[in-house]
Amino acid sequence: SAVISQKPSRDICQRGTSLTIQCQVDSQVTMMFWYRQQPGQSLTLIATANQGSEATYESGFVIDKFPISRPNLTFSTLTVSNMSPEDSSIYLCSVGWVDGYTFGSGTRLTVV
Amino acid sequence: GENVEQHPSTLSVQEGDSAVIKCTYSDSASNYFPWYKQELGKGPQLIIDIRSNVGEKKDQRIAVTLNKTAKHFSLHITETQPEDSAVYFCAAMAGTALIFGKGTTLSVSS
Repeated sequence: SAVISQKPSRDICQRGTSLTIQCQVDSQVTMMFWYRQQPGQSLTLIATANQGSEATYESGFVIDKFPISRPNLTFSTLTVSNMSPEDSSIYLCSVGWVDGYTFGSGTRLTVV
Repeated sequence: GENVEQHPSTLSVQEGDSAVIKCTYSDSASNYFPWYKQELGKGPQLIIDIRSNVGEKKDQRIAVTLNKTAKHFSLHITETQPEDSAVYFCAAMAGTALIFGKGTTLSVSS
Protein backbone atom coordinates (compact mmCIF):
# COMPACT_ATOMS: atom_id res chain seq x y z
CA SER A 1 0.00 0.00 0.00
CA ALA A 2 0.99 3.65 -0.36
CA VAL A 3 3.12 5.15 2.40
CA ILE A 4 2.16 8.61 3.64
CA SER A 5 4.46 11.09 5.37
CA GLN A 6 2.64 13.87 7.18
CA LYS A 7 4.31 16.93 8.68
CA PRO A 8 4.37 18.31 11.27
CA SER A 9 3.37 15.51 13.62
CA ARG A 10 2.22 18.03 16.22
CA ASP A 11 2.21 21.74 16.85
CA ILE A 12 1.02 24.27 19.37
CA CYS A 13 -0.14 27.51 17.75
CA GLN A 14 -1.40 30.86 18.87
CA ARG A 15 -4.97 31.80 18.05
CA GLY A 16 -5.32 33.96 14.97
CA THR A 17 -2.34 32.36 13.20
CA SER A 18 -2.28 29.77 10.40
CA LEU A 19 -0.64 26.36 10.09
CA THR A 20 0.11 24.47 6.90
CA ILE A 21 0.18 20.67 7.06
CA GLN A 22 2.03 18.69 4.40
CA CYS A 23 1.17 15.25 3.04
CA GLN A 24 3.69 13.39 0.90
CA VAL A 25 2.91 10.03 -0.70
CA ASP A 26 5.50 7.58 -2.01
CA SER A 27 3.41 6.79 -5.11
CA GLN A 28 1.23 8.71 -7.52
CA VAL A 29 -2.36 8.61 -6.37
CA THR A 30 -5.50 10.03 -7.89
CA MET A 31 -7.56 10.34 -4.75
CA MET A 32 -6.32 12.30 -1.74
CA PHE A 33 -8.44 13.40 1.20
CA TRP A 34 -8.18 15.47 4.35
CA TYR A 35 -9.98 14.51 7.57
CA ARG A 36 -10.38 16.09 11.00
CA GLN A 37 -10.59 14.07 14.19
CA GLN A 38 -11.63 16.09 17.21
CA PRO A 39 -10.54 14.80 20.64
CA GLY A 40 -12.14 11.45 21.33
CA GLN A 41 -14.28 11.64 18.22
CA SER A 42 -14.59 10.00 14.84
CA LEU A 43 -13.08 11.12 11.55
CA THR A 44 -14.89 13.85 9.60
CA LEU A 45 -14.11 14.46 5.94
CA ILE A 46 -12.98 18.04 5.30
CA ALA A 47 -12.37 17.90 1.56
CA THR A 48 -11.17 15.92 -1.41
CA ALA A 49 -7.93 17.31 -2.81
CA ASN A 50 -8.12 17.29 -6.60
CA GLN A 51 -4.96 17.46 -8.66
CA GLY A 52 -4.99 20.46 -10.98
CA SER A 53 -8.30 21.86 -9.78
CA GLU A 54 -9.94 23.30 -6.70
CA ALA A 55 -10.62 21.01 -3.76
CA THR A 56 -14.14 19.74 -3.11
CA TYR A 57 -15.29 20.71 0.39
CA GLU A 58 -17.83 18.95 2.59
CA SER A 59 -20.69 20.74 4.25
CA GLY A 60 -19.45 22.85 7.13
CA PHE A 61 -15.95 23.37 5.72
CA VAL A 62 -14.97 26.33 3.54
CA ILE A 63 -11.98 27.17 1.41
CA ASP A 64 -11.20 30.41 3.25
CA LYS A 65 -10.73 28.50 6.50
CA PHE A 66 -9.11 25.35 5.09
CA PRO A 67 -7.33 26.16 1.82
CA ILE A 68 -5.91 23.06 0.13
CA SER A 69 -3.26 22.71 -2.54
CA ARG A 70 -2.59 19.65 -4.72
CA PRO A 71 0.23 20.55 -7.10
CA ASN A 72 0.91 16.98 -8.23
CA LEU A 73 -0.13 13.36 -7.70
CA THR A 74 2.14 12.79 -4.68
CA PHE A 75 1.74 15.92 -2.55
CA SER A 76 -0.93 18.05 -0.89
CA THR A 77 -1.14 20.70 1.80
CA LEU A 78 -3.94 21.72 4.15
CA THR A 79 -3.82 25.12 5.82
CA VAL A 80 -5.82 25.84 8.94
CA SER A 81 -6.35 29.60 8.85
CA ASN A 82 -7.09 32.17 11.54
CA MET A 83 -7.06 29.46 14.18
CA SER A 84 -9.18 29.37 17.32
CA PRO A 85 -9.12 26.85 20.20
CA GLU A 86 -12.03 25.03 18.49
CA ASP A 87 -9.62 24.05 15.71
CA SER A 88 -7.63 21.91 18.14
CA SER A 89 -7.84 18.47 16.54
CA ILE A 90 -5.91 15.80 14.73
CA TYR A 91 -5.76 16.44 11.00
CA LEU A 92 -5.26 13.37 8.81
CA CYS A 93 -4.31 12.91 5.18
CA SER A 94 -5.66 9.84 3.37
CA VAL A 95 -5.18 8.36 -0.08
CA GLY A 96 -7.20 5.86 -2.06
CA TRP A 97 -5.13 2.93 -3.22
CA VAL A 98 -5.79 -0.36 -5.03
CA ASP A 99 -5.90 -2.25 -1.75
CA GLY A 100 -7.84 0.29 0.26
CA TYR A 101 -7.59 3.71 1.82
CA THR A 102 -4.44 4.53 3.76
CA PHE A 103 -4.02 7.21 6.40
CA GLY A 104 -1.06 9.23 7.53
CA SER A 105 -0.14 9.33 11.21
CA GLY A 106 -1.84 12.71 11.58
CA THR A 107 -0.99 16.19 12.79
CA ARG A 108 -2.01 16.90 16.36
CA LEU A 109 -2.84 20.61 16.55
CA THR A 110 -3.37 22.52 19.76
CA VAL A 111 -4.48 26.14 19.55
CA VAL A 112 -3.87 28.31 22.62
CA GLY B 1 -25.57 11.70 2.01
CA GLU B 2 -24.20 8.56 3.61
CA ASN B 3 -24.65 8.05 7.35
CA VAL B 4 -22.93 5.30 9.31
CA GLU B 5 -24.08 4.17 12.75
CA GLN B 6 -21.76 2.06 14.93
CA HIS B 7 -22.49 0.07 18.09
CA PRO B 8 -21.46 -0.39 20.81
CA SER B 9 -19.42 2.69 21.69
CA THR B 10 -17.44 0.69 24.28
CA LEU B 11 -16.82 -3.03 24.61
CA SER B 12 -14.96 -4.87 27.35
CA VAL B 13 -14.06 -8.55 26.99
CA GLN B 14 -11.83 -11.07 28.67
CA GLU B 15 -8.78 -12.34 26.83
CA GLY B 16 -9.77 -15.26 24.62
CA ASP B 17 -13.38 -14.16 24.23
CA SER B 18 -14.91 -12.97 20.96
CA ALA B 19 -15.84 -9.37 20.19
CA VAL B 20 -18.47 -8.19 17.74
CA ILE B 21 -18.95 -4.62 16.50
CA LYS B 22 -21.89 -3.71 14.31
CA CYS B 23 -22.49 -0.93 11.78
CA THR B 24 -25.39 0.16 9.62
CA TYR B 25 -25.27 2.45 6.63
CA SER B 26 -27.91 4.50 4.85
CA ASP B 27 -26.83 4.80 1.20
CA SER B 28 -27.69 1.67 -0.77
CA ALA B 29 -25.16 2.77 -3.43
CA SER B 30 -22.23 2.30 -1.01
CA ASN B 31 -20.15 -0.65 -2.14
CA TYR B 32 -16.99 -0.70 -0.01
CA PHE B 33 -16.83 -1.23 3.76
CA PRO B 34 -13.48 -1.11 5.56
CA TRP B 35 -12.65 -1.46 9.23
CA TYR B 36 -9.86 0.50 10.89
CA LYS B 37 -7.98 0.08 14.15
CA GLN B 38 -6.61 3.20 15.79
CA GLU B 39 -4.15 3.06 18.63
CA LEU B 40 -3.40 6.05 20.81
CA GLY B 41 -1.37 8.69 19.00
CA LYS B 42 -1.50 6.91 15.65
CA GLY B 43 -3.44 7.17 12.43
CA PRO B 44 -6.13 4.62 11.58
CA GLN B 45 -4.83 1.32 10.22
CA LEU B 46 -6.87 -0.77 7.81
CA ILE B 47 -7.45 -4.24 9.27
CA ILE B 48 -10.02 -5.74 6.92
CA ASP B 49 -12.49 -4.66 4.27
CA ILE B 50 -15.34 -6.08 2.25
CA ARG B 51 -16.97 -5.15 -1.03
CA SER B 52 -20.66 -5.35 -1.76
CA ASN B 53 -20.36 -8.41 -3.99
CA VAL B 54 -19.10 -10.51 -1.07
CA GLY B 55 -21.02 -11.64 2.01
CA GLU B 56 -18.14 -12.56 4.30
CA LYS B 57 -14.37 -12.22 4.47
CA LYS B 58 -11.94 -13.66 6.98
CA ASP B 59 -8.31 -12.96 7.84
CA GLN B 60 -6.98 -15.13 10.66
CA ARG B 61 -8.81 -14.00 13.85
CA ILE B 62 -10.72 -11.21 12.13
CA ALA B 63 -13.82 -11.55 9.98
CA VAL B 64 -16.32 -9.15 8.46
CA THR B 65 -19.87 -9.95 7.34
CA LEU B 66 -22.10 -7.86 5.10
CA ASN B 67 -25.87 -7.93 4.72
CA LYS B 68 -26.71 -5.65 1.81
CA THR B 69 -30.43 -6.05 2.19
CA ALA B 70 -30.35 -4.86 5.79
CA LYS B 71 -27.50 -2.38 5.07
CA HIS B 72 -25.60 -3.88 7.93
CA PHE B 73 -22.02 -5.07 8.38
CA SER B 74 -20.13 -6.44 11.36
CA LEU B 75 -16.59 -7.01 12.59
CA HIS B 76 -15.85 -10.23 14.45
CA ILE B 77 -12.64 -10.74 16.42
CA THR B 78 -12.06 -14.19 17.87
CA GLU B 79 -9.61 -15.24 20.57
CA THR B 80 -9.05 -11.65 21.61
CA GLN B 81 -5.68 -10.59 22.98
CA PRO B 82 -4.67 -7.55 25.06
CA GLU B 83 -2.99 -6.06 21.98
CA ASP B 84 -6.42 -5.94 20.31
CA SER B 85 -7.32 -3.13 22.71
CA ALA B 86 -7.85 0.01 20.59
CA VAL B 87 -10.56 2.11 18.97
CA TYR B 88 -12.20 0.46 15.96
CA PHE B 89 -13.96 2.42 13.22
CA CYS B 90 -16.22 1.14 10.50
CA ALA B 91 -16.66 3.12 7.30
CA ALA B 92 -18.66 3.10 4.10
CA MET B 93 -17.62 4.52 0.78
CA ALA B 94 -19.93 7.25 -0.50
CA GLY B 95 -18.75 8.29 -3.94
CA THR B 96 -14.96 8.28 -3.61
CA ALA B 97 -14.53 9.19 0.07
CA LEU B 98 -15.05 7.20 3.27
CA ILE B 99 -17.70 8.12 5.82
CA PHE B 100 -16.92 6.82 9.31
CA GLY B 101 -18.90 5.52 12.24
CA LYS B 102 -18.31 7.04 15.66
CA GLY B 103 -15.97 4.29 16.81
CA THR B 104 -15.88 1.50 19.38
CA THR B 105 -13.35 1.41 22.20
CA LEU B 106 -12.42 -2.23 22.73
CA SER B 107 -10.73 -3.21 25.98
CA VAL B 108 -9.34 -6.72 26.35
CA SER B 109 -8.36 -7.66 29.88
CA SER B 110 -6.03 -10.51 30.70
